[in-house]
Amino acid sequence: DQQVKQNSPSLSVQEGRISILNCDYTNSMFDYFLWYKKYPAEGPTFLISISSIKDKNEDGRFTVFLNKSAKHLSLHIVPSQPGDSAVYFCAASATSGTYKYIFGTGTRLKVLA
Amino acid sequence: NAGVTQTPKFRVLKTGQSMTLLCAQDMNHEYMYWYRQDPGMGLRLIHYSVGEGTTAKGEVPDGYNVSRLKKQNFLLGLESAAPSQTSVYFCASQQDRVWQEQYFGPGTRLTVT
Repeated sequence: DQQVKQNSPSLSVQEGRISILNCDYTNSMFDYFLWYKKYPAEGPTFLISISSIKDKNEDGRFTVFLNKSAKHLSLHIVPSQPGDSAVYFCAASATSGTYKYIFGTGTRLKVLA
Repeated sequence: NAGVTQTPKFRVLKTGQSMTLLCAQDMNHEYMYWYRQDPGMGLRLIHYSVGEGTTAKGEVPDGYNVSRLKKQNFLLGLESAAPSQTSVYFCASQQDRVWQEQYFGPGTRLTVT
């Protein structure tokens, strides 16, 4: 049973436009969420996080939105740049338990120049 | 700081052979993790450790063993490799506080023939 789902395997966006990556989760105990970016042949790198006490967190061009009632989070990248082309993973954790994260299957973003 | 390092970067094994993957971190993190990444499956947790001398099973522990004799090192062993263990393996570490991100190593690409 996939507790964290990224239903879009891939996404193509024109340079300068907005990229929106989506993530859904099923476990209502999840209260902390992360987004990671992964380039080929490298390990994932942390991008941005959000806790369940917030509904939005911004860091430069990256904003994560959390809709707890819908169990949905999204990552917005504005403006998108060719260097943003990578695989993006969302991850969720229930911090009341052990410090484990459940990862989604990833979305491959391609930003077209 | 080197962060999280993994040895080796690549390895080819024959079915039935054994090997050990080494993960080292220099951030004094308490928690360490081993994941495998397969196409369309995202990152799946194999085993993890919440401190020196402790280990616990993740989602997909079968066929693997781990040891954490020193805080900075986390070893992943395959006693009798199978083709189903062909994957990219990532190690990660994390501070022992809530709402913390995980830091990943560069990965080990393992092929079992």
